[in-house]
Amino acid sequence: AQTVTQSQPEMSVQEAETVTLSCTYDTSESDYYLFWYKQPPSRQMILVIRQEAYKQQNATENRFSVNFQKAAKSFSLKISDSQLGDAAMYFCAYRSPNSGNTPLVFGKGTRLSVIA
Amino acid sequence: NAGVTQTPKFRVLKTGQSMTLLCAQDMNHEYMYWYRQDPGMGLRLIHYSVGEGTTAKGEVPDGYNVSRLKKQNFLLGLESAAPSQTSVYFCASTKGRANTEAFFGQGTRLTVV
Repeated sequence: AQTVTQSQPEMSVQEAETVTLSCTYDTSESDYYLFWYKQPPSRQMILVIRQEAYKQQNATENRFSVNFQKAAKSFSLKISDSQLGDAAMYFCAYRSPNSGNTPLVFGKGTRLSVIA
Repeated sequence: NAGVTQTPKFRVLKTGQSMTLLCAQDMNHEYMYWYRQDPGMGLRLIHYSVGEGTTAKGEVPDGYNVSRLKKQNFLLGLESAAPSQTSVYFCASTKGRANTEAFFGQGTRLTVV
């Protein structure tokens, strides 16, 4: 079974600085999908960014980008120009493509604090 | 477009009581999931459904039952609540393809005393 590991329970960053959240995963599949979700204090789960394993190019969404290292099974999230609104729990998630019904497998999350 | 709606948002139960959490989605998604979120544990899958009339067990199914009688609704039942079931419960839905976004409800905070 696939597993997702987020080794940083908590991180902090100064406003306007850059922070990187780590995520590693374990899988025997060659094709799969990876996601980062943000959960602010409102509890709502918000998709930040997604990456398809067959794509070599790292995904980017405005201030959010990933460093996808397939051989190392690493999928880190970089937040540039951090803002107070970025403070939240961040979850890394994996999904297998082998059948469309497979659920998302989540890591335990990283709580990000942004210091003004 | 409401997306995924969970009912109720908050609930306090006494040990041994039963209750049903309702998840409704209006996106015509085939797949629906129930997760629980506990501090330091991330989101863990309880049960899921790949279509109307079908359900399957996830990682932590004990003490829960589910039903998917209608495509748009996915019910999570607790027959005899225990304090260990105190948690925040999330429902999610997806289309068939694995690269598509999962849409989540706003969560239900359940406390069992």
